[in-house]
Amino acid sequence: ELKVEQNPLFLSMQEGKNYTIYCNYSTTSDRLYWYRQDPGKSLESLFVLLSNGAVKQEGRLMASLDTKARLSTLHITAAVHDLSATYFCAVLNYGGSQGNLIFGKGTKLSVKP
Amino acid sequence: DSGVTQTPKHLITATGQRVTLRCSPRSGDLSVYWYQQSLDQGLQFLIQYYNGEERAKGNILERFSAQQFPDLHSELNLSSLELGDSALYFCASSGVGDNEQFFGPGTRLTVL
Repeated sequence: ELKVEQNPLFLSMQEGKNYTIYCNYSTTSDRLYWYRQDPGKSLESLFVLLSNGAVKQEGRLMASLDTKARLSTLHITAAVHDLSATYFCAVLNYGGSQGNLIFGKGTKLSVKP
Repeated sequence: DSGVTQTPKHLITATGQRVTLRCSPRSGDLSVYWYQQSLDQGLQFLIQYYNGEERAKGNILERFSAQQFPDLHSELNLSSLELGDSALYFCASSGVGDNEQFFGPGTRLTVL
């Protein structure tokens, strides 16, 4: 059974600082997704990582995937308050035609001035 | 806006009742997924449909059922509701290719 673990679950950062969120998963998969969720809102797709060594960047966020280590990271550079949200990683669980996503518990990020 | 629509946005009902949640996928997407989000269980996959057929089942209770219609919209039926069924229910859809799933705004179900 595919399991996805994120850490930390809670992260309080100061503006301008850097930090990394980790996402480990238990069985083979080569597709990993990062989502952002604001309180009471839906999930917004941030990154789609499709192969080993994939790296994607958007603004202050950069995501990478190491399928051999079964690890993805979401690195935050020079955090700003607008990044405060909950971040989820999700791993594709192959099955059926396209597969469903198994989510981590999420990392609640709070960026303080 | 992801292009996935869900109705209703909020639903308040009593224990023992039955409700239907509706989802319309993005134009052209054949796959529809249902997820439940609660504080204690997190985001849990319930069920997937592809072009009208059930393709995968997750942690879906027997009291819950779903279907996808010829026009590709989907409905999630929840019956004999219990207090613990109170949660946010999300629908997502995906096309072919990278399996990226786009989430709808969700339906917040409150069971009193």
